[in-house]
Amino acid sequence: QKEVEQNSGPLSVPEGAIASLNCTYSDRGSQSFFWYRQYSGKSPELIMFIYSNGDKEDGRFTAQLNKASQYVSLLIRDSQPSDSATYLCAVNPTNTGNQFYFGTGTSLTVIP
Amino acid sequence: DAGVTQSPTHLIKTRGQQVTLRCSPKSGHDTVSWYQQALGQGPQFIFQYYEEEERQRGNFPDRFSGHQFPNYSSELNVNALLLGDSALYLCASSSGLRANTEAFFGQGTRLTVV
Repeated sequence: QKEVEQNSGPLSVPEGAIASLNCTYSDRGSQSFFWYRQYSGKSPELIMFIYSNGDKEDGRFTAQLNKASQYVSLLIRDSQPSDSATYLCAVNPTNTGNQFYFGTGTSLTVIP
Repeated sequence: DAGVTQSPTHLIKTRGQQVTLRCSPKSGHDTVSWYQQALGQGPQFIFQYYEEEERQRGNFPDRFSGHQFPNYSSELNVNALLLGDSALYLCASSSGLRANTEAFFGQGTRLTVV
């Protein structure tokens, strides 16, 4: 089984707060992890990827990976109303080349 | 630099018909993957093409088939359409087959089967 689990939400945060999005995965050998943002009716847009344990920062976004716990998260600092979207966690499991398994996504609403 | 382009953007078909969706990958990319995204769900992997061959396939019936052309563009064909095939079909473009490779999505084709 190569499952990816996310809380579907909705998650609501006030403008300027930190939004924390979480994802767990079942395949222990998974190698790479991606966060996509999807606005309603649009296609997924790549935000960040992470391959190694620890934190990776890109502007207001920080991805955190803990392979021992099979857990990856995305933090959005200084959340803006334009961040309101569904966030998809994608995992590249073992021996699947660059095939992705996606979670169902977490809906985030940033309240002005 | 053109990103991933898909056509058409919307399509309405009748049960039992056949449909062909098209994708042109991002410049410099040679691998095309197709995903199906039902409403409220995450994308599900259909198959992947590299060097004009199907390299990986997800859990989809043989009614779903594809092709890749020498210019790396790709087609997804679905035969004998069912109501349950209604979804957003996404094409993802990447380089090569190795893991740890970013993939970029086209705008998708919204297929409605009536």
